[in-house]
This record gives sequence, C-alpha cells and structure tokens, in this order.
Amino acid sequence: GNSVTQMEGPVTLSEEAFLTINCTYTATGYPSLFWYVQYPGEGLQLLLKATKADDKGSNKGFEATYRKETTSFHLEKGSVQVSDSAVYFCALNVGNYKLTFGKGTLLTVNP
Amino acid sequence: DVKVTQSSRYLVKRTGEKVFLECVQDMDHENMFWYRQDPGLGLRLIYFSYDVKMKEKGDIPEGYSVSREKKERFSLILESASTNQTSMYLCASSSGQGEGEQYFGPGTRLTVT
Repeated sequence: GNSVTQMEGPVTLSEEAFLTINCTYTATGYPSLFWYVQYPGEGLQLLLKATKADDKGSNKGFEATYRKETTSFHLEKGSVQVSDSAVYFCALNVGNYKLTFGKGTLLTVNP
Repeated sequence: DVKVTQSSRYLVKRTGEKVFLECVQDMDHENMFWYRQDPGLGLRLIYFSYDVKMKEKGDIPEGYSVSREKKERFSLILESASTNQTSMYLCASSSGQGEGEQYFGPGTRLTVT
C-alpha cells in the first residue's frame, strides 16, 4: 500500500536557522508529492508540490526535490522565521482521489 | 483562489445529539472530503465524494454518514454523537483534473460532552 513517513517532531529552531524536515514514501505507481502547512487554529494550506522525478517544488523560501531513487521529498528552508512556526505535512497521490498523509511535524521557531 | 468554508469554527454538542457539519466550496470541484484530525494520529479520512450523490467510505467511517445533494456542498452527519467523536474536522475539495492537490477549509473543532 501507499504510505508516508516523516520525521518525528517537535522541531525547535532559532530564527534564521536552516530547516530540514525529512519525508520518505512508499507508493504503487508514480505519485505526485506535496507539502502542506497548518498554522495554529487553521486548516491545511498547500505549500508546494512536485509531480515527477527530479522536479523541485518551491514556495515562500521553502523547497523540496522529488527523489525517486531514494523515495524522498525532504522539505528545506535556508533561514526560518518565527512566522514559519506551524505543523508541516508531507503527502502523496497516486492518481486516485485520495491523498496519503504523514503524521505531521510541529516546527517552533524562537526569536 | 479556491475557497472552502465550513459552517462553524467551534461546536459543542451533547452525547446522543445529531450533529451536522456543513462544507461549501466555490471552485466547481468534483471531489470533496471529510477528515478528522487528532493529536498523534494525523489526518484520517472519514468519507469522500467524487460526484453529486456519490460517496465512498474512507478509513474511519463508523459513526458517520455524509450527504452530497449539490456539487458545491458536502455534509458530514454524526447520527448520535459520542465523546470519542470530539475532534477537529476538516473538509477539503479537489478538481478531477488536477494532480491530486486538495484545498482545505479552516476546520470545525467539535466537542461532545
């Protein structure tokens, strides 16, 4: 079956630190990959996506590269801000209706 | 921009009550979803619908039902609310033509006492 594994949180960083949140997946077929972000008290927002191997998704300074050889889609940002504090979810879709989500990683950025 | 709205942000109900959660999307999306979100468990799919009057069970349908009479509206029904249904409920929609990305509403935090 399909599954997504992302690093356990919580992750606590100081402002301007480098961020990596690891995500690996198992899928039948060729999935599209997504990162969603959930700010406190809100629903999930699509942060970025990649639909085929070697694609790089990017948005708001965040990046993730679709690595088929390592079945990974790690989220990175060079310099985090306090406003990036949120829960981050990795997800995949294999062409059916449903998304398969990871459990989420809580990021806290301190000033 | 896609907009998904949910009827309430916070709801408190008593055990045994019938509860309706409403979701409306304004992008003419074919697919709509209901999830619940609990600490340590992530998002779990309750039901989804890929067309008007069509529905499919997700991973945890027990104790819930759904209704989709119009394309833009998807309702989640708790026939007899129980305390273990206290949770955050998230609605989402997606286009049948996209790469599978879903657009979420702000969520309804339901407390059953």
